[in-house]
Amino acid sequence: ETGVTQTPRHLVMGMTNKKSLKCEQHLGHNAMYWYKQSAKKPLELMFVYNFKEQTENNSVPSRFSPECPNSSHLFLHLHTLQPEDSALYLCASSQALAGDIYEQYFGPGTRLTVT
Amino acid sequence: ILNVEQSPQSLHVQEGDSTNFTCSFPSSNFYALHWYRWETAKSPEALFVMTLNGDEKKKGRISATLNTKEGYSYLYIKGSQPEDSATYLCAFPGGSGTYKYIFGTGTRLKVLA
Repeated sequence: ETGVTQTPRHLVMGMTNKKSLKCEQHLGHNAMYWYKQSAKKPLELMFVYNFKEQTENNSVPSRFSPECPNSSHLFLHLHTLQPEDSALYLCASSQALAGDIYEQYFGPGTRLTVT
Repeated sequence: ILNVEQSPQSLHVQEGDSTNFTCSFPSSNFYALHWYRWETAKSPEALFVMTLNGDEKKKGRISATLNTKEGYSYLYIKGSQPEDSATYLCAFPGGSGTYKYIFGTGTRLKVLA
C-alpha cells in the first residue's frame, strides 16, 4: 500500500452504534489530520496530531473521539452520532517540521451515513 | 475568524479554452497558500504551495500566481481538457506551525468535450 489509506470506505450506522474509522499513511509523515466534508460546505478541519500529540481540536463534539497510537495510524471513534454527522470524513498527512508548511496528502475518505 | 473565498463556485468551459479562478484570503499574517485538485471519487491532490508575494508556479498547463498584499491567488488552466474537470480548492494555514488549515468551498470546473 502506498500513500494514505482509509477504512471503511462506506459506513452506515445507527445513532446508538459505536464505530471507528481508520487511517494509515505510508509516507513517513508526522502530522495527521481529520477533516469533515458536508454537502455544499468547505472541508472542515476536526483534529490535528503532530508527532502523536493532538495540537488542534476544532471545537468538535465529544461524540467524535480521535486516537493516534503512532505517527502512521489515526483513528476516529464514533458514538451516539446524529443524522447531521452524515458526511465524508477525510484523513490527511503531511511532514511536520516547526516553522515549515508542507502540502497535505489525503486519503480517499469514508462516506458516513447516520440513520 | 479567518475566511477563504473562492470564485466562481462553478464553471463550464469548452475543451481548448483557457480559464482562471480566484482564491481570496486575509492579507494580514500571511504564511502560505495551498492549491488542491479534487477529482470526483478520488482524493484531493496538492497542486501548489505558495509562500512569497509575487510567486508564480507552474505544473504543465496549470499555473498559479500569488498577491499577498491584496490577499488573492489566481489559478490558470491553459487549453482546458476534459481530464481537468475537478473541484479546485485553496487552503490557508491559520499561522506558522498551527497546522490549522482553512479551506475555501472550491471552484467546480467542468470541461466539455
